[in-house]
Amino acid sequence: KAGVTQTPRYLIKTRGQQVTLSCSPISGHRSVSWYQQTPGQGLQFLFEYFSETQRNKGNFPGRFSGRQFSNSRSEMNVSTLELGDSALYLCASGGGAETQYFGPGTRLLVL
Amino acid sequence: GENVEQHPSTLSVQEGDSAVIKCTYSDSASNYFPWYKQELGKGPQLIIDIRSNVGEKKDQRIAVTLNKTAKHFSLHITETQPEDSAVYFCAASIRNTGTASKLTFGTGTRLQVTL
Repeated sequence: KAGVTQTPRYLIKTRGQQVTLSCSPISGHRSVSWYQQTPGQGLQFLFEYFSETQRNKGNFPGRFSGRQFSNSRSEMNVSTLELGDSALYLCASGGGAETQYFGPGTRLLVL
Repeated sequence: GENVEQHPSTLSVQEGDSAVIKCTYSDSASNYFPWYKQELGKGPQLIIDIRSNVGEKKDQRIAVTLNKTAKHFSLHITETQPEDSAVYFCAASIRNTGTASKLTFGTGTRLQVTL
């Protein structure tokens, strides 16, 4: 099976812009979770989607949003980018049990 | 909410020696504890996990132990090799059928295996 794919892998934006990141889970997996990884805060949970519904949400401002499509692919959007949003954004795919498999991430740099 | 502490933050061992990384968690309802290995430029890779109904699990050179009473769990790597060098993260979550998954991660341990 192919693993979790994330696009784009690298992204440079300027403050105030918005960005959309994409994640394709492992075939057959219906759960997609998003995490933000920074040197200062570590790995932090953003939200999880299952069957197109957001099941859980982390402690991030409303500028961070996401959605899931009927084919389980997911997108996350960050509006009005801030310098502090620079991070590695990771998507994790889950098949119904607890196990989550991570993609390679999208590295976002906000200038 | 859940809080996971991980120690040490860095660990240097000689090739062939063992490495031990320890984590503690705060929420007694947590019942799933995975360990991830992250190499430079890559996403975290699941290397082993344990559920709260099990005290120990082994997979070749890797083992994880869980002490529910003390709320701590540990990763043991034996016969370390240079390719074991990476950052290791522990995590905890509450997993039951039909509920959401939210992994709370430790702060990571940078393991360096020297020749």
